[in-house]
Amino acid sequence: QLMLTQSPSASASPGASVKLTCTLTSGHSTYAIAWHQQQPEKGPRFLMKLNSDGSHTKGAGTPDRFSGSSSGAERYLTISSLQSEDEADYYCQTWHTGIVVFGGGTKVTVL
Amino acid sequence: EVQLVESGGGLVQPGGSLRLSCAASGYTFSNHDMHWVRQVTGKGLEWVSVIGIAGDRYYADSVKGRFTISSESAKKTLYLQMNNLTAGDTAVYYCARTHSGDYMDVWGKGTTVIVSS
Repeated sequence: QLMLTQSPSASASPGASVKLTCTLTSGHSTYAIAWHQQQPEKGPRFLMKLNSDGSHTKGAGTPDRFSGSSSGAERYLTISSLQSEDEADYYCQTWHTGIVVFGGGTKVTVL
Repeated sequence: EVQLVESGGGLVQPGGSLRLSCAASGYTFSNHDMHWVRQVTGKGLEWVSVIGIAGDRYYADSVKGRFTISSESAKKTLYLQMNNLTAGDTAVYYCARTHSGDYMDVWGKGTTVIVSS
């Protein structure tokens, strides 16, 4: 069954970096995912599509400090030079014909 | 500017019905699959349904048989007809556009549905 696993929380100080992980279930390690950001009291916002080879396509408004990478069944989102506005929930999402799956989300706190 | 605006949410009694709308603007509506995604307060995102550009429709098991997704290209509007609603359907409902049949690349701001007596 296609599923995505995310750690519930992460934190870092302003200016530091934080790396979020999204893990695909066994047998689905070649799937691409998308990362979405949801700031408090707002709707989600697309950040990037991330392929299994680490190549990614960012949304038009996605800042350069957001980057993606992949290793096996793991997909990563790294936020560099962390800013207060980066405090948000981050969701990974994948898809298959007739199915869309979200990870449980990671809450990023800027200390 | 590409924009999605949901409407139609509100308070409805258990067992009741509601139709949500999502008005699209700024792009060619008929060229993109469209989704509904919901979020219970304090919880994560849950995919609800998708309609493809060819009219194919898929649903999450939790809403299958109760919800119907449709669209009207001339009005550039996506709909979600929700019947036999339960408290478990209480959530913010978002519509989202799909990029090339792939990932969701544009989201609306959401409309709130509350199912309560």
